[in-house]
Amino acid sequence: GAVVSQHPSRVICKSGTSVKIECRSLDFQATTMFWYRQFPKQSLMLMATSNEGSKATYEQGVEKDKFLINHASLTLSTLTVTSAHPEDSSFYICSARLAARQETQYFGPGTRLLVL
Amino acid sequence: KNEVEQSPQNLTAQEGEFITINCSYSVGISALHWLQQHPGGGIVSLFMLSSGKKKHGRLIATINIQEKHSSLHITASHPRDSAVYICAVETSGSRLTFGEGTQLTVNP
Repeated sequence: GAVVSQHPSRVICKSGTSVKIECRSLDFQATTMFWYRQFPKQSLMLMATSNEGSKATYEQGVEKDKFLINHASLTLSTLTVTSAHPEDSSFYICSARLAARQETQYFGPGTRLLVL
Repeated sequence: KNEVEQSPQNLTAQEGEFITINCSYSVGISALHWLQQHPGGGIVSLFMLSSGKKKHGRLIATINIQEKHSSLHITASHPRDSAVYICAVETSGSRLTFGEGTQLTVNP
């Protein structure tokens, strides 16, 4: 099946720093990638939808200037958490959908962010 | 009321038992997904359904569009099936809205 990778898998950073998380589709082209956040004991929440070559669409309540998304190619999307604060500590997961046909989303393994 | 509701929240079974997890939703959807999340957090897509029934190995997923209800069944359950099972509905723009998940524990 299709494989999606994320890097890093875990990151610890100081408050005020920025963290970049990469999401790659390894064996397919993905015109659309999705970014989710999951707090402990809670369900996933969609943060934004990222289409290759265009601006991301953010969900209500998600600050686009704080969570910068770049989808520069059909295999790579990045999420940058700018000026991270402890409340941004969470599990960030991306998913990708195959180009040309709409079917299931393939999920990355997730990135656990801890902001001290 | 959440748009997607799952039951039960927690389920403990003995190895070999037949398991059913239910999902009800209240919005119009283009598809419904069943996902599996392991303790490390990684998510695997099990099924994507828009009608009827799908089977993969010991897993069966059904959906009733009129009743806005889906079920995930696991036959001959095994301890390795222990995970959180998540129902998610797909609406416009491919947006997924997730249920809160069902924690399944299968004891040997």
